[in-house]
Amino acid sequence: DGGITQSPKYLFRKEGQNVTLSCEQNLNHDAMYWYRQDPGQGLRLIYYSQIVNDFQKGDIAEGYSVSREKKESFPLTVTSAQKNPTAFYLCASSGTVGYTFGSGTRLTVV
Amino acid sequence: AQSVTQLDSQVPVFEEAPVELRCNYSSSVSVYLFWYVQYPNQGLQLLLKYLSGSTLVKGINGFEAEFNKSQTSFHLRKPSVHISDTAEYFCAVSERQGYQKVTFGTGTKLQVIP
Repeated sequence: DGGITQSPKYLFRKEGQNVTLSCEQNLNHDAMYWYRQDPGQGLRLIYYSQIVNDFQKGDIAEGYSVSREKKESFPLTVTSAQKNPTAFYLCASSGTVGYTFGSGTRLTVV
Repeated sequence: AQSVTQLDSQVPVFEEAPVELRCNYSSSVSVYLFWYVQYPNQGLQLLLKYLSGSTLVKGINGFEAEFNKSQTSFHLRKPSVHISDTAEYFCAVSERQGYQKVTFGTGTKLQVIP
């Protein structure tokens, strides 16, 4: 079945560490997105990419980085510059209209 | 710029009762409208979408929504809820042209009471 796979489902990070969240899709979608979800704040856009080797900052890009070397993959790195990284991270992709979401990664700073 | 407002952050309702989750949007251009559902610790799943045509849209799990252009609303309804409908519901809007960035509301938590 086509879909989006996010891994890992749970991730723990120590202070000062960089961590990378994986997002892979086999839907042949051109566009991919990363959202951060915090309680009561809905979804906030971190980065998005409309084509391979190109991506743009969203509303809350500070402390995050991405790459888009392959159409299927859009990994997100949470750097040590992100002061409050504990959150639920969602990856999505889109073809023509609307989004398909992955099942999310819950990142916790310990 | 576009925006979405979900005024109700939480909606408690008894099992088998009807429910309406409200959504209003603003945009300077024509839009597509969506409702997504999120169960705990999971991603978002598309419930239904309005692209064009009939303003009454039927989705999965017995939900439906009505697009009202004059009131810029897209309220979600279900005539009889079940315990399994307990989840968070997000309304979303995207412009019909250009990049079609999707903007999400802040979500409404539906709590079905046995």
